Amino acid sequence: RKEVEQDPGPFNVPEGATVAFNCTYSNSASQSFFWYRQDCRKEPKLLMSVYSSGNEDGRFTAQLNRASQYISLLIRDSKLSDSATYLCVVNGPSGSARQLTFGSGTQLTVLP
Amino acid sequence: EPEVTQTPSHQVTQMGQEVILRCVPISNHLYFYWYRQILGQKVEFLVSFYNNEISEKSEIFDDQFSVERPDGSNFTLKIRSTKLEDSAMYFCASSPSSGGREQYFGPGTRLTVT
Repeated sequence: RKEVEQDPGPFNVPEGATVAFNCTYSNSASQSFFWYRQDCRKEPKLLMSVYSSGNEDGRFTAQLNRASQYISLLIRDSKLSDSATYLCVVNGPSGSARQLTFGSGTQLTVLP
Repeated sequence: EPEVTQTPSHQVTQMGQEVILRCVPISNHLYFYWYRQILGQKVEFLVSFYNNEISEKSEIFDDQFSVERPDGSNFTLKIRSTKLEDSAMYFCASSPSSGGREQYFGPGTRLTVT
């Protein structure tokens, strides 16, 4: 099983749509969870941390289900500028607190 | 807003040559990292550095790689004898605390080994 698994997409959605990304992780000892976004040939940029209770930042909502080892990201009212690759990231592998493990990313294109 | 900076943005080198990639982490951060991303692949951890020593390293970080914090601001990655397969984007990151929380990435150095 891959350490962090994401649907690669691509997701092509019209402006204003709501889109959801899912991610599963294999390391049950992971304690930190994030969504990063990466534009083509650029660095990963932190979008948001994911907390057990779920959290929201404007149009973005992240959820964590530790029992299922599942993380989600919901984007409401998509903008053209949301077009990017969204990376699910957890700390780990097992026993490692400082090392981040990245998923392969889900590509999103928001269409006018 | 403080940010991680990296130089050069692009480095071309011949196989077998040594390269040094440079990073200036965010000034009050305590943990520093190197990651790499081969074109079309996912971001991979190389090494973490804290209190002037390596905290963790991956299998990729073999004897050809080394890291150093030569002064109070710079953090460097050296590859002693580059191979074709070292061609990748190398990202430096830093974080203010332990636990792998909120790591902030620099813009990367694209290394091309010919």
